[in-house]
Amino acid sequence: DAKTTQPPSMDCAEGRAANLPCNHSTISGNEYVYWYRQIHSQGPQYIIHGLKNNETNEMASLIITEDRKSSTLILPHATLRDTAVYYCIVRSDHFGNEKLTFGTGTRLTIIP
Amino acid sequence: ETGVTQSPTHLIKTRGQQVTLRCSSQSGHNTVSWYQQALGQGPQFIFQYYREEENGRGNFPPRFSGLQFPNYSSELNVNALELDDSALYLCASSSPTSRVEYFGPGTRLLVL
Repeated sequence: DAKTTQPPSMDCAEGRAANLPCNHSTISGNEYVYWYRQIHSQGPQYIIHGLKNNETNEMASLIITEDRKSSTLILPHATLRDTAVYYCIVRSDHFGNEKLTFGTGTRLTIIP
Repeated sequence: ETGVTQSPTHLIKTRGQQVTLRCSSQSGHNTVSWYQQALGQGPQFIFQYYREEENGRGNFPPRFSGLQFPNYSSELNVNALELDDSALYLCASSSPTSRVEYFGPGTRLLVL
């Protein structure tokens, strides 16, 4: 599985957009970029995923560069409840090899 | 729609004992994965079950075993517990169409 690199921590002011970067320079053609977050001691929460096109849902937007070597998760209007560890994961779509390989993630703190 | 549920929420065992953790998958989901999350680390993939068969395994010893039942619920069994088995155990389920894994709240196991 391709490895991902994320900053260990970030701060963002409440109400502002939070932009979380992720590098995945060894991603291969059949691998998707997934984002999950984990609020203290809870199970990870799925946020969004994409292959090569930008994606948006009710929680966030995912911007993937044209060469697919990096991506950015955007939380458009951060609230205090967005404080969590955010994981960027590259995942194969091959049946039997779909495990999620979590790194250490980015600890995002929303500042009031 | 009921999400992924896990039981028990907390458990204390002593070294050498055996433990069984349970997971009920989300409605319509036929694939279940188990993850172990040690304190301060990201979740680590243990194994995945699809239609009652193991469908991928991470780097865990054979004393970690599992089952999936016809209703797609699942069990994780750990024999000969060691102190390092103390962790949050997470179950995730996915559907045959979307493949997105949705996590349960986890079972926190403490081995003394």
